[in-house]
Formats: sequence, C-alpha cells, structure tokens
Amino acid sequence: DIQMTQSPSTLSASVGDRVTITCRASQSIDNWLAWYQQKPGKAPKLLIYEASRLDSGVPSRFSGSGSGTEFTLTISRLQPDDFATYYCQQYNTFWTFGQGTKVEIK
Amino acid sequence: QVQLVESGGGVVQPGRSLRLSCAASGFSVTNYGMHWVRQAPGKGLEWVAVISYDGGNKFYADSVKGRFTISRDISKNTLYLQMNILRPEDTAVYFCAKALYTVVTPFDYWGQGTLVTVSS
Repeated sequence: DIQMTQSPSTLSASVGDRVTITCRASQSIDNWLAWYQQKPGKAPKLLIYEASRLDSGVPSRFSGSGSGTEFTLTISRLQPDDFATYYCQQYNTFWTFGQGTKVEIK
Repeated sequence: QVQLVESGGGVVQPGRSLRLSCAASGFSVTNYGMHWVRQAPGKGLEWVAVISYDGGNKFYADSVKGRFTISRDISKNTLYLQMNILRPEDTAVYFCAKALYTVVTPFDYWGQGTLVTVSS
C-alpha cells in the first residue's frame, strides 16, 4: 500500500501569508496526486489534480508542484476563506489520503 | 448540475447491517467511476470502495473487504454501499464521490455525507 505523509499537521498563519504544505508518498506516484480543501461539516473540495492542474473555479492563489514522491501545495496570499483542512491524495494505485493539514488563524 | 445525495445512515448495533444510498443527478453513473469515502469523527479521509464506470470492476479497502459491497442501479442512477458485520470502528461519515475521469482519477464531486454510528 502507498502511504501519504503530510507536514505540518497544523499550520498557524495570518491573512496575506504565503503558505506551503508538503506531502510525501512512500513510493513514486508520478504526478498522480490531488489536493482537497475541507471545512468543518462539509465535504472535501477538489483543488488540484495531476499535481499541478487547478480544478475549474479554483482561485489562482492556489498552486501545486512536485512529482515522484515529493509534492507541495502553496497558497500565495492566504485569504479568510482559506482557513480549512487540506488533504493530499494519491491515485496512482487505488486511492490513499494524507492525514491532513489544518490551516488555522494565527 | 452535478449533485450527489446520500441517505441511509443511522445508529446500528455491532454485527448488524446497513445499506447506504447515493442518488446522482446531472450525469450518468455509467460514464464515471463512483466511490465511497469515509471519515471517522475528528479524523482524516479513508477511501472505502469503487465501482468502475461500466460496473465490471469493484475494489475495496482492506478494512472493509468481505464485509462491504458496492453496487449501483443504472435505472435509478444510484450508488449503494451494503455494509455487513458492522464494527464500532466503522463509525464515520460516509461520502459518495464521483470520479473526475473514468479510470486513474481523483474525485471532483462529493455528496454531503451520511453518518453511520455503530454502537450497542
């Protein structure tokens, strides 16, 4: 099974900050990686797929990069609506999620 | 527009069964893989099961293999998850999700989730 490890688990930041979340896969997944945003009591929302492709309607302040086993999600200028939990997901071999990164207000 | 609506959750005793439904609209389940994903209270996301766009392939997480069965009714455009021999650790919100494409793909639409509580 492919394991996904995100860091950090919690991130404290302010509006306007640049934020970076890292996701590591236990083996190469090429670029078969997605990022989701989830708010309390809501379903996850797809932000990025194929490591760097923005889903329709996702603001351009979100970006993704990486391939193989190391990936990053960057929010260029954090907005109030961005405080949420973010999950990476590999879909190279079945589907596995990272444990999540909570972005909270500093 | 695409919409997924889950139902069927509730409180059930360990060892009993429950069937979840996910009514899809705005697209046909015959064109996309469909998934179940669960989230235990306060925890992360866990993929549970998938049925391929043609219904010919079904795969399960090891944690539910042999106990859960994914299926669909094309005439109702509805996805199901039959859950047998339920355990307390199956307690979670269960989401259905639509595949972005047909095969190697993330999930682009999710339902609102239905809560399953396994407790005596």
